[in-house]
Amino acid sequence: AQSVTQLGSHVSVSEGALVLLRCNYSSSVPPYLFWYVQYPNQGLQLLLKYTSAATLVKGINGFEAEFKKSETSFHLTKPSAHMSDAAEYFCAVSLRGGGSNYKLTFGKGTLLTVNP
Amino acid sequence: EPEVTQTPSHQVTQMGQEVILRCVPISNHLYFYWYRQILGQKVEFLVSFYNNEISEKSEIFDDQFSVERPDGSNFTLKIRSTKLEDSAMYFCASSLQGVYGYTFGSGTRLTVV
Repeated sequence: AQSVTQLGSHVSVSEGALVLLRCNYSSSVPPYLFWYVQYPNQGLQLLLKYTSAATLVKGINGFEAEFKKSETSFHLTKPSAHMSDAAEYFCAVSLRGGGSNYKLTFGKGTLLTVNP
Repeated sequence: EPEVTQTPSHQVTQMGQEVILRCVPISNHLYFYWYRQILGQKVEFLVSFYNNEISEKSEIFDDQFSVERPDGSNFTLKIRSTKLEDSAMYFCASSLQGVYGYTFGSGTRLTVV
């Protein structure tokens, strides 16, 4: 079975500060890992994904994440927060399921607030 | 950029009524999914669909739920007799193969009153 743990349901940073959102996964086989962002009353937008190529993955809006197998982690970072980054962030893990489908298992989410 | 389209964006229904949520996946995608997100909670997998049959379903996806791809373009989720606890945002997703091209729609907010 696969699972995702996001440490910290709420993270608050100042504008211009480093953003670090933590995600640890549990998987019996090499996983695919994702970060999604959700703005209020909107859908899920893919920020980045790890699919067993480079362990440092760069995404949209200046975000990046590093896959660390030894730590079973996939933390999301951004060097300098903008007010527009305020949203909920979800980490997700995927394994191959029956019939080659890939269901995603999501973490509980981390709400990021950015203070001026 | 290709999109997954979901309609309606918001639906209000009375408890016990049937609802059909509609999705138009990306045209060359082969795998289709439904997820739901109860307000304030995480996104949960409901069902995956491939080659005109269900590939996998979660415990949530009980006999009240069904999916269909009636005409080769639409992908629908039917809830036969809605309950208050079915109130949630429902997301459709599709992928070309595996995780490649995995794209979510903007969701349908279902409110059961």
